[in-house]
Amino acid sequence: GEDVEQSLFLSVREGDSSVINCTYTDSSSTYLYWYKQEPGAGLQLLTYIFSNMDMKQDQRLTVLLNKKDKHLSLRIADTQTGDSAIYFCAEFSTGGGNKLTFGTGTQLKVEL
Amino acid sequence: EAQVTQNPRYLITVTGKKLTVTCSQNMNHEYMSWYRQDPGLGLRQIYYSMNVEVTDKGDVPEGYKVSRKEKRNFPLILESPSPNQTSLYFCASSPPERENTGELFFGEGSRLTVL
Repeated sequence: GEDVEQSLFLSVREGDSSVINCTYTDSSSTYLYWYKQEPGAGLQLLTYIFSNMDMKQDQRLTVLLNKKDKHLSLRIADTQTGDSAIYFCAEFSTGGGNKLTFGTGTQLKVEL
Repeated sequence: EAQVTQNPRYLITVTGKKLTVTCSQNMNHEYMSWYRQDPGLGLRQIYYSMNVEVTDKGDVPEGYKVSRKEKRNFPLILESPSPNQTSLYFCASSPPERENTGELFFGEGSRLTVL
C-alpha cells in the first residue's frame, strides 16, 4: 500500500532556512501536498505540487519534487518563530480509488 | 465564514460509554472524511463519505461508525469506546472540484481521552 515517510523533528535558528523532507512509495501520485498544523489547531493547506512539476515557489516556500526517487522537500527561507508547527507531507493518488495519504509529520522548532 | 466545525473539542470519557463527535460544514461540500492523529503515525483515515447516504471505510475503521443523512453533517460514533481510541480526531471536507486533487479543509480537531 501507500507509504509516506518524514523525519519526526527539525530544529533551526531564526533566520536560517529549513528543509523538511518526505519520501513516498506510490508511483501513481498525482498531487503532493504540504499541510501545516499549528498547536491546538487543525491542518491548513500550505502548498502543493502537481506530479509533472519539478519545483514550485511561493514567497518563502519552495517545493522540490524528484519523481524518480519519489522524494519531496519543503524549503522555508528566513524561518521565523511563527513557522514553528508540525508539517505534514501528503500524497494523493487515483490508483485504487482517490486517496490522500499523510506522512507522520515533522515537528519544526525555530529557536532564537 | 466558511468552516468545518467539530464538537466537542475536548472530551474525557470511560470505556464502554457511547459517544458521538459531530462534524458540520457550511460550504456545501460533497466529500467528507474522518481522520485520527496519533504521535509517530500521522493522520490515518477512519471513514469517508462521497455524498449523502454514501459512506466507506478508510484505513482504520474498527470501533467506529459514521452516518451521512444530510450533506452538511458527518458524525463519528464510538459505540463502545476503548482506551486505544484515545486520540486527536479531525473531520475534513472537500468540494467537488477538489475531489480529484485531494485538497481538504479541516476542522480544528477533537481531543478524546478514553479511561
